[in-house]
Amino acid sequence: KNEVEQSPQNLTAQEGEFITINCSYSVGISALHWLQQHPGGGIVSLFMLSSGKKKHGRLIATINIQEKHSSLHITASHPRDSAVYICAVVLQGGSEKLVFGKGTKLTVNP
Amino acid sequence: DAGITQSPRHKVTETGTPVTLRCHQTENHRYMYWYRQDPGHGLRLIHYSYGVKDTDKGEVSDGYSVSRSKTEDFLLTLESATSSQTSVYFCAISEGLDAYFGPGTRLTVL
Repeated sequence: KNEVEQSPQNLTAQEGEFITINCSYSVGISALHWLQQHPGGGIVSLFMLSSGKKKHGRLIATINIQEKHSSLHITASHPRDSAVYICAVVLQGGSEKLVFGKGTKLTVNP
Repeated sequence: DAGITQSPRHKVTETGTPVTLRCHQTENHRYMYWYRQDPGHGLRLIHYSYGVKDTDKGEVSDGYSVSRSKTEDFLLTLESATSSQTSVYFCAISEGLDAYFGPGTRLTVL
């Protein structure tokens, strides 16, 4: 079983829709990153969370440490939001290793 | 932008040849990682380093070796490349809760 599970794997939406991507993890973490990767592109960190909620423009990320769950929301989605969104956790303890979910491929149609 | 670069950015090689990929950082971060990204598998950890000369294996380390002789450089070597190692390779660095990613190296083994 993967330590980090994302859902859904693929998501298609119409422009303007509200989108939610979920991430659940089974290990102790010190932080969680939401990453974005456009087709053929590099990986960019959108948010780093250790508790609560963060907002940047149309993107909102939340984390519930007790439930070991995080969500990424996109309001008023746009075709330029089409990308792969990846959840990555920083493990507690000495290694501080990053462990990734397999990603969610989002396609927003005009 | 964080100072993390990868070289080369693209490489085509033949089966059986040795290949070395370089990750270079100017952030003085302690942790450095090599991942490969393949369709259907997401990002998988090959090796990581937690200091100069301190390295450990990840989940897909067979066929790969690494070296870190100084803080800023983390080398990934394929001793004898195989077609199954055709992939996109990403380097990442982290310190505490911060994590940054290199632009990726697309490796094709014919």
